[in-house]
Amino acid sequence: EAQVTQNPRYLITVTGKKLTVTCSQNMNHEYMSWYRQDPGLGLRQIYYSMNVEVTDKGDVPEGYKVSRKEKRNFPLILESPSPNQTSLYFCASRSYWEPANYGYTFGSGTRLTVV
Amino acid sequence: AQTVTQSQPEMSVQEAETVTLSCTYDTSENNYYLFWYKQPPSRQMILVIRQEAYKQQNATENRFSVNFQKAAKSFSLKISDSQLGDTAMYFCAFIRGGAGNMLTFGGGTRLMVKP
Repeated sequence: EAQVTQNPRYLITVTGKKLTVTCSQNMNHEYMSWYRQDPGLGLRQIYYSMNVEVTDKGDVPEGYKVSRKEKRNFPLILESPSPNQTSLYFCASRSYWEPANYGYTFGSGTRLTVV
Repeated sequence: AQTVTQSQPEMSVQEAETVTLSCTYDTSENNYYLFWYKQPPSRQMILVIRQEAYKQQNATENRFSVNFQKAAKSFSLKISDSQLGDTAMYFCAFIRGGAGNMLTFGGGTRLMVKP
């Protein structure tokens, strides 16, 4: 089954403790992206990657890091999480070869709480 | 930069009735696509319907249809014969055509279908 897999689904952590949210896709997609969802703000892009070793900032990159060492994986790293990073996070992917109107395939989301 | 605005944070409708969700967007592009995504309590992002900007005909998918007004930059979603399973957050989203572009989301509308 074609899918984007995020882990964990839920995570509670303390301020300053480094964490990684993993994202993996099995569709050989070139594009991968991280979004955070907050009430009233919709989904905002954190970082995106157009291919292996190619990453760029989205609209809200502060406090986050990413890496794209393999095509299928795109982990999101919070080196020193703060309470304002409490949010619902989504990973998404898309093929370069499909038209833009195909949209994205989304993971199931990670609910992160930083206390 | 593109912006997407959903002016109705919450809406409710009686089962079997029709409801319309509003979305406006701002762009200087001529080649773009618009989407409505549904997010039920399971948090999964589900693509409901898509519209290509170059098509004058409004898209329809079963009980879901759009009213696309390109000049007014308006893209509303109509749900006919509302069902309890339509209860969800609905997000309007925009993407420029061509390679290397990412989705921009509106703030979302929470729809409650009442029995």
